[in-house]
Amino acid sequence: QSALTQPASVSGSPGQSITISCTGTSSDVGSYNLVSWYQHHPGKAPKLMIYEVNKRPSGVSNRFSGSKSGNTASLTISGLQAEDEADYYCCSYAGSSTGVFGTGTEVFVL
Amino acid sequence: EVQLVESGGNLVQPGGSLRLSCAASGFIFSSYWMHWVRQAPGKGLVWVSRISIDGSSTSYADSVKGRFTISRDNAENTLYLQMNSLRAEDTAVYYCGRDAFGWGLDVWGQGTTVTVSS
Repeated sequence: QSALTQPASVSGSPGQSITISCTGTSSDVGSYNLVSWYQHHPGKAPKLMIYEVNKRPSGVSNRFSGSKSGNTASLTISGLQAEDEADYYCCSYAGSSTGVFGTGTEVFVL
Repeated sequence: EVQLVESGGNLVQPGGSLRLSCAASGFIFSSYWMHWVRQAPGKGLVWVSRISIDGSSTSYADSVKGRFTISRDNAENTLYLQMNSLRAEDTAVYYCGRDAFGWGLDVWGQGTTVTVSS
């Protein structure tokens, strides 16, 4: 149950697009289409942004999109806005009814 | 309003025990798998445990297996986490989350803080 690997930080200017990677193994990300992404502002409850690799819950902006290739999942934020500045975590089912989160990525809007 | 509210966090000595609660409201609690997730100070989110809708199936992270027990009372709309043999590394904010999409947690509580220290 090693954490999935994410870049520590990603930054972009308003209006730009950024992509956050989430690298796992063939035992988790690579084996299941059960990858989710969460936005977390410190001190608040995490918010689900993407589930099942590329599906958006109702109410989440279509500026957020997800994808997966092999053992790596990605979250893309297009049209970056100041309010997108937060911590982002991926999460994957890891088999045997267990899950694993990513190491987390701080997104900075320059 | 769909809501989860955690409680029970406290300061406890190493080796001690604590039971966390997560009160659900605004939705049919008995229809959802539920999770506990924690975040140690300055660290990232870590999955802790999951329980099936009727409580018959449970699973745990290796770091808490054998020490923590997840349970639920569907009549009281409440999720629990019994934590025994607590260690300093269990110090964290503990969140409960509703699993609506197959490992997609769409509703979270605000968290309850557990501090393990002498």
